[in-house]
Amino acid sequence: EVQLVQSGAEVKKPGESLRISCKGSGYSFTSYWISWVRQMPGKGLEWMGRIDPSDSYTNYSPSFQGHVTISADKSISTAYLQWSSLKASDTAMYYCARHVGEWSDARGWFDPWGQGTLVTVSS
Amino acid sequence: SYELTQPPSVSVSPGQTARITCSGDALPKQYAYWYQQKPGQAPVLVIYKDSERPSGIPERFSGSSSGTTVTLTISGVQAEDEADYYCQSADSSGTSVVFGGGTKLTVL
Repeated sequence: EVQLVQSGAEVKKPGESLRISCKGSGYSFTSYWISWVRQMPGKGLEWMGRIDPSDSYTNYSPSFQGHVTISADKSISTAYLQWSSLKASDTAMYYCARHVGEWSDARGWFDPWGQGTLVTVSS
Repeated sequence: SYELTQPPSVSVSPGQTARITCSGDALPKQYAYWYQQKPGQAPVLVIYKDSERPSGIPERFSGSSSGTTVTLTISGVQAEDEADYYCQSADSSGTSVVFGGGTKLTVL
């Protein structure tokens, strides 16, 4: 079974750093890009960016470029999303998803999704 | 920046047909995908490449495309179909992923 399992919920203070993870199993981790998607409370889905785990090449949404860093460790089939200085506005559910399709660019679909990691930033 | 437009809400009675639209200028040249998200759960793919249905998705879910609009159709709606539905595609250059704003399907 193809699966993405994310790390647990986090509660942080503004200004703190954070890294959350997404571990793939049941498929060749280096054969598919991994994307990260944000869902703020009561709002819709926003694509943040993606990484090719085979070479760690990344592609960010302009809205998130410079605010987060996406990385991967192919030796343990895990992708990461990290912040160097959190803000209250980073409070959201974050999903990773396997990016599927015959293209090498942003075209394609997401399947499956991780279960989500809730990040709460509050003083 | 590129946008996909969905109606905020659609309501139907059980057994009726629900149609959820998604409009975007690049849709004639880019495939669209649809996801179902129930409260407290991660999204699930229900349609890919405009009209293909993944294994395990009921046949009552179908997709179609016409010009700048794609449509998710749920035939014979059941109470369990009540959820938020999101369309997704890419911009015209294939550089960026875009989601629609989401449509809340209410089964009356």
